[in-house]
Amino acid sequence: NAGVTQTPKFQVLKTGQSMTLQCAQDMNHNSMYWYRQDPGMGLRLIYYSASEGTTDKGEVPNGYNVSRLNKREFSLRLESAAPSQTSVYFCASSNTLNTEAFFGQGTRLTVV
Amino acid sequence: GENVEQHPSTLSVQEGDSAVIKCTYSDSASNYFPWYKQELGKRPQLIIDIRSNVGEKKDQRIAVTLNKTAKHFSLHITETQPEDSAVYFCAANTGNQFYFGTGTSLTVIP
Repeated sequence: NAGVTQTPKFQVLKTGQSMTLQCAQDMNHNSMYWYRQDPGMGLRLIYYSASEGTTDKGEVPNGYNVSRLNKREFSLRLESAAPSQTSVYFCASSNTLNTEAFFGQGTRLTVV
Repeated sequence: GENVEQHPSTLSVQEGDSAVIKCTYSDSASNYFPWYKQELGKRPQLIIDIRSNVGEKKDQRIAVTLNKTAKHFSLHITETQPEDSAVYFCAANTGNQFYFGTGTSLTVIP
């Protein structure tokens, strides 16, 4: 039982490049989330998906897009990376929107 | 939207002493309050949670209290050990989103 798996673990991008962060969960959870973590700012929600087929903006969605590919997978795309997007990104999932969230191991992204 | 404030941002205690971290929230609709522990370089992991119909919950050395009227909740760790050193995050859930505090870095001095 792997829980929540994110890829890649580390990534360096040049300004303007694009990339997709992948996330998959094997707990049959309905809800999935993408957060970014910056020093002193805690975890901020980028996008979430309450259930398969739905996505909603969180607190800081600008510069990002998401796809809920199926119940297991929720990807985060940066179309044109900017240095302000340098951060640690966490994917998470929960059974419903109001139950314990389980986190992936994180992706450390640096945009130069 | 919900606003969660967490204090203190850093906390140092002697091994064996107690540690208390406090959070306040603004949205009275929030009804689920988890606490996460994040060790350096690791993912956040749930250590305890409480729902709005409960005032206190305890799990061994860890307890959480909730005051709905005042809109604040606290994490209490007793008999602290060096392995308790980590960053702790509180969160409030309004029913469709988690809102996290900015974290408390706890250091337990042996």
